Amino acid sequence: ILNVEQSPQSLHVQEGDSTNFTCSFPSSNFYALHWYRWETAKSPEALFVMTLNGDEKKKGRISATLNTKEGYSYLYIKGSQPEDSATYLCAFYSGSARQLTFGSGTQLTVLP
Amino acid sequence: EPEVTQTPSHQVTQMGQEVILRCVPISNHLYFYWYRQILGQKVEFLVSFYNNEISEKSEIFDDQFSVERPDGSNFTLKIRSTKLEDSAMYFCASRGDIYSNQPQHFGDGTRLSIL
Repeated sequence: ILNVEQSPQSLHVQEGDSTNFTCSFPSSNFYALHWYRWETAKSPEALFVMTLNGDEKKKGRISATLNTKEGYSYLYIKGSQPEDSATYLCAFYSGSARQLTFGSGTQLTVLP
Repeated sequence: EPEVTQTPSHQVTQMGQEVILRCVPISNHLYFYWYRQILGQKVEFLVSFYNNEISEKSEIFDDQFSVERPDGSNFTLKIRSTKLEDSAMYFCASRGDIYSNQPQHFGDGTRLSIL
């Protein structure tokens, strides 16, 4: 059973604050690490798919880094806005299991 | 932007009844998936489907479950004899190409409630 952990479980920040959260995953058989943004009553929306150690990806105010050797990825949000409020899910794709294993998510609330 | 659609949004069924959850993946996508999320728990992989056959399935996907792509557009998940513990949110997803490093596109989910 593959273990994908996310921390913190939930987070409240003020509008304008920058924030980050962590996804940890097995460092063996790595193939890809996905980040999804999931708003209540909507479908998970893909943010990034990261494959290479040292990868950094950016989409607007959101960016992510990847360390496959130690098995973690960070997601950063710069200048949080209320519309960033959502659950952020990471999912690990291993070369052996050939399926996405999800973390339990970090629920972000941005207060105006 | 093309999207994955799922119907119904909410299904209420008596225990022991069969249920079929329907999904229309993005039209030129080749890989299809079902996931479920029991309330308060992680999203769990159920099954992947490619070229009209199951590619991978998890331990959850036992003989009570089956998938089908009957007509080239719909992708269905059937639960033969539902149990209380099948109550969950079921998500369909699709992916366009052969590369596993591409994102999956999810539908809005079907909430299945077993009474």
